[in-house]
Amino acid sequence: DAGVIQSPRHEVTEMGQEVTLRCKPISGHNSLFWYRQTMMRGLELLIYFNNNVPIDDSGMPEDRFSAKMPNASFSTLKIQPSEPRDSAVYFCASRKLLSGNTIYFGEGSWLTVV
Amino acid sequence: DQQVKQNSPSLSVQEGRISILNCDYTNSMFDYFLWYKKYPAEGPTFLISISSIKDKNEDGRFTVFLNKSAKHLSLHIVPSQPGDSAVYFCAASWEGAQKLVFGQGTRLTINP
Repeated sequence: DAGVIQSPRHEVTEMGQEVTLRCKPISGHNSLFWYRQTMMRGLELLIYFNNNVPIDDSGMPEDRFSAKMPNASFSTLKIQPSEPRDSAVYFCASRKLLSGNTIYFGEGSWLTVV
Repeated sequence: DQQVKQNSPSLSVQEGRISILNCDYTNSMFDYFLWYKKYPAEGPTFLISISSIKDKNEDGRFTVFLNKSAKHLSLHIVPSQPGDSAVYFCAASWEGAQKLVFGQGTRLTINP
């Protein structure tokens, strides 16, 4: 079975540009998470969805960040405008609700804003 | 407000010896704890977990210990192998919660 699929794997963009990160969760999983990895804070939860509905977006750092999940097999995380401090690895993860606490991560999207 | 803390950013251990990774938490509502392992350029993968009704859980070379009164857990790897070199994340959750709270991670290096 395919795992969580993220794209792009690497993105280098200029400050002020819009960045869109994409995620396809594991088939059958109905809970999706966006995390950001930084040296200082480790893995920070940005937002998560259950059954395509955003449940908790308290970790979204600023209004420049937005996330959508238009259907069960696709989610986007958008940064507009991007800033150098947004440079990080962004992970998408998914799990099946009521099937335990373990979540399954994608390989991450490495974002560099210059 | 870091609810899960891994105070050692890095740890170096000789092959064959025991590796001990530590994690502290502040939220007393947490009742389920997990360890994830992350290799470079890959996503974190689940390693082992423990419920608060236990104080120890073993899986092969990996053992997790939980001390609820101290709000502390640790991961023991014995014997350590070069393939164990990775970043280890501690995570916590609670009954009814739908998200995991992660620590900052500890980079473990196993020296031959």
